[in-house]
Amino acid sequence: TQLLEQSPQFLSIQEGENLTVYCNSSSVFSSLQWYRQEPGEGPVLLVTVVTGGEVKKLKRLTFQFGDARKDSSLHITAAQPGDTGLYLCSYKLSFGAGTTVTVRA
Amino acid sequence: DAGVIQSPRHEVTEMGQEVTLRCKPISGHDYLFWYRQTMMRGLELLIYFNNNVPIDDSGMPEDRFSAKMPNASFSTLKIQPSEPRDSAVYFCASSPVTGEETQYFGPGTRLLVL
Repeated sequence: TQLLEQSPQFLSIQEGENLTVYCNSSSVFSSLQWYRQEPGEGPVLLVTVVTGGEVKKLKRLTFQFGDARKDSSLHITAAQPGDTGLYLCSYKLSFGAGTTVTVRA
Repeated sequence: DAGVIQSPRHEVTEMGQEVTLRCKPISGHDYLFWYRQTMMRGLELLIYFNNNVPIDDSGMPEDRFSAKMPNASFSTLKIQPSEPRDSAVYFCASSPVTGEETQYFGPGTRLLVL
C-alpha cells in the first residue's frame, strides 16, 4: 500500500488550460514536498508545505496543504509545454507514484 | 556547484555481470541517498548514508546489492550478479540538513540488464 496516493496517474491537456493534481494519504504529515521530474532527469524540488491550510505560489503553480495535513494539491494555471513532466509528492524519504502531465502546444 | 554527479549515465550489461554505479554528492552535504525508479514501483529508497555511515539499508532488494561510501565525496552502488529485473533508473541524491527534506538529485543512471 502506497503511503502517498497520487491522482490522476496521467493528465494530457492543451496549452493554456488549467490542471490540478492531488496527493492523498490516511496519515498526518508534518510536511510535504512536491517535485517535478523532466524526462531523462532527476526530480527537482518545487516546494515544501508545512502548515495545515497553507497555500504557496510559485509563478503559475499553486500548492495547497490540507487543513488536516493529510492531503495536498498542485494547481497549474495556463499550462505551458514547459510544465510537462512527472509531478511527485513526497514525505520524508517516501514518494508517491506521481502524475505524468503532458501539455500539448 | 556542479550538482550531484552520477556515472555512467547509461549502462547496458548482460545478466550475471557485475555493475557498479558511481555518485559524487554536492560538497558539504552530509546525507547521500540511492533510489531506484521503475514504472511498476515508482521511486524507491534503497539506502542512505549520514557522514559516510549507512543508516538505513532496508530498501536494498537483496544480497546482490551493496553500497559503499568510502569518503564524503564518493559513493558506489554495486549489483553482483545483475539480473534483468534490476533494469531501472538509479538515482543518487544528497541533502545538506536533516536528510528528510530538501534532496538534490543527480541525473540518474539508466541500467539495462539483458
